[in-house]
Amino acid sequence: NAGVTQTPKFRVLKTGQSMTLLCAQDMNHEYMYWYRQDPGMGLRLIHYSVGEGTTAKGEVPDGYNVSRLKKQNFLLGLESAAPSQTSVYFCASSRGQASEAFFGQGTRLTVV
Amino acid sequence: AQSVTQPDIHITVSEGASLELRCNYSYGATPYLFWYVQSPGQGLQLLLKYFSGDTLVQGIKGFEAEFKRSQSSFNLRKPSVHWSDAAEYFCAVNPQGAQKLVFGQGTRLTINP
Repeated sequence: NAGVTQTPKFRVLKTGQSMTLLCAQDMNHEYMYWYRQDPGMGLRLIHYSVGEGTTAKGEVPDGYNVSRLKKQNFLLGLESAAPSQTSVYFCASSRGQASEAFFGQGTRLTVV
Repeated sequence: AQSVTQPDIHITVSEGASLELRCNYSYGATPYLFWYVQSPGQGLQLLLKYFSGDTLVQGIKGFEAEFKRSQSSFNLRKPSVHWSDAAEYFCAVNPQGAQKLVFGQGTRLTINP
């Protein structure tokens, strides 16, 4: 049982480049989340989705876009990467609002 | 503003000593409450959760947490810590009706031998 899988695990981008992070879950969960983790700031919610075809903004959405075309996948896009987006990104999924969230192993992104 | 606060950034305790990690929230209605643990280089794992009922909840690895409505707190405790408990601990809330999971800043726990 794979759970939540994030692709890629590491990436280095140049300023201005674009990329997409993929999150896939095999638990048939409705809710999916994207977070960024920075030292001393905990996990901050970027965007989230409560079902296929729906997305909503979290605490720090600027510079990111997301799509949830299929229930099992939640994509996070950076259209024009900036050094401030250097971070570790985590995807999570859950069955519902009151349910445990399951996390991927993270993607370490460096923007130079 | 609505928020989750973990006042302690870093705590050091000796192995075998008791532990209490603090978490306060500021939401109108009692949210769904969670504690997660993150070992170095890993994702997050759920320790325990509170939705309603008994205000003292038991979790995995010997942890427990107590919900106090009057103090808007959900503190995590363990009677005797082990070296393997060294990790970062996150309090999280899912505000009722908001459909999103919000985390505190985290508390890094160091264990002295």
